[in-house]
Amino acid sequence: DAKTTQPPSMDCAEGRAANLPCNHSTISGNEYVYWYRQIHSQGPQYIIHGLKNNETNEMASLIITEDRKSSTLILPHATLRDTAVYYCIVRVFYTGNQFYFGTGTSLTVIP
Amino acid sequence: SQTIHQWPATLVQPVGSPLSLECTVEGTSNPNLYWYRQAAGRGLQLLFYSVGIGQISSEVPQNLSASRPQDRQFILSSKKLLLSDSGFYLCAWSDGRGGDTQYFGPGTRLTVL
Repeated sequence: DAKTTQPPSMDCAEGRAANLPCNHSTISGNEYVYWYRQIHSQGPQYIIHGLKNNETNEMASLIITEDRKSSTLILPHATLRDTAVYYCIVRVFYTGNQFYFGTGTSLTVIP
Repeated sequence: SQTIHQWPATLVQPVGSPLSLECTVEGTSNPNLYWYRQAAGRGLQLLFYSVGIGQISSEVPQNLSASRPQDRQFILSSKKLLLSDSGFYLCAWSDGRGGDTQYFGPGTRLTVL
């Protein structure tokens, strides 16, 4: 699975959009981009995933560049409960393929 | 909707004691099930996964074992715990009909003393 690079930490004001970047310059054509987050001492929570097209769900939007070498997770209106470590993972889609969680981005939402 | 349960939430065990962690999934049938371990300050390590009752694949050789006695039940066991077994144990499931997004449980914090 391709390696990802994320900033170690970010701050965001409550109510503003949080834009979390991820670089995955070695991504291959059959690898998906996944985003999870983990609040301290809890299990990781699935947020969103995509292959080529931008995706949106009730939690967030995922913007993938045309060359697929980077992506951005957007939380449109950050709340204090969005404070967590956010993981960008690139992986091939098949059963039994594990998720490699790196160090992620620690997002702090500030009141 | 689907939910995943793990228990106990926390566990403190002496070295050499046995271990049994349980994971159950509700609201789906024939799920793929996974056991991960997250050591302090490190990423997740896949330990076992299962695509059906009695079918277990081991990813890392160690003194842990897994069993799937029922469709939606996954158990992680050890006969004798080691200090290095301490960590945060996570169970996850994915849709057995082809979906591969994995959904994680709340985890069990294991401390071996």
